[in-house]
Amino acid sequence: DAKTTQPNSMESNEEEPVHLPCNHSTISGTDYIHWYRQLPSQGPEYVIHGLTSNVNNRMASLAIAEDRKSSTLILHRATLRDAAVYYCILRANTGNQFYFGTGTSLTVIP
Amino acid sequence: KAGVTQTPRYLIKTRGQQVTLSCSPISGHRSVSWYQQTPGQGLQFLFEYFSETQRNKGNFPGRFSGRQFSNSRSEMNVSTLELGDSALYLCASNAQQGAIHEQFFGPGTRLTVL
Repeated sequence: DAKTTQPNSMESNEEEPVHLPCNHSTISGTDYIHWYRQLPSQGPEYVIHGLTSNVNNRMASLAIAEDRKSSTLILHRATLRDAAVYYCILRANTGNQFYFGTGTSLTVIP
Repeated sequence: KAGVTQTPRYLIKTRGQQVTLSCSPISGHRSVSWYQQTPGQGLQFLFEYFSETQRNKGNFPGRFSGRQFSNSRSEMNVSTLELGDSALYLCASNAQQGAIHEQFFGPGTRLTVL
């Protein structure tokens, strides 16, 4: 099982950008990088995903290192609603087998 | 579009009993995944079902089993419950369009084993 490593926790001030790092040195060439987040008392929700190129959507940006051994989720302006546990996940090209790590607990300070 | 439904939301059982949890995916989704979430181990993949067939399986003992019906609804069963089975059990409805895979999670079933 491909594994990811994330810091246990991070803090950010409200309305400032947040960079959440993830290491995945054992990633294979066909593994997709997914990010999900879990708000308190809810199931995880999709944030963004990518394969090789950087990706942007309305929620966040995903920056993928050239060697794909690491990636960074970027929240451009943190809000209090962004306080959650963020999971970096590798998904094999076949099937829907997602392996979640322990995630990063993000605290947003007003 | 209705979201993912899981029943029951809360359950209390005693050691040795068995339990069945239910998940109704989003209409049109044919794949369902199950996860166990505990404070110590985080989110762990149990299994995935697609068109009534188990397609992937995580590293859990045989006491954990599941099935999927023709309407895509899925159930998971845990037999001979142990205290360590106390957890939040999450079901995810899987959407796939080409290379895009997205999972939509339900609210979970909180199982407490006494």
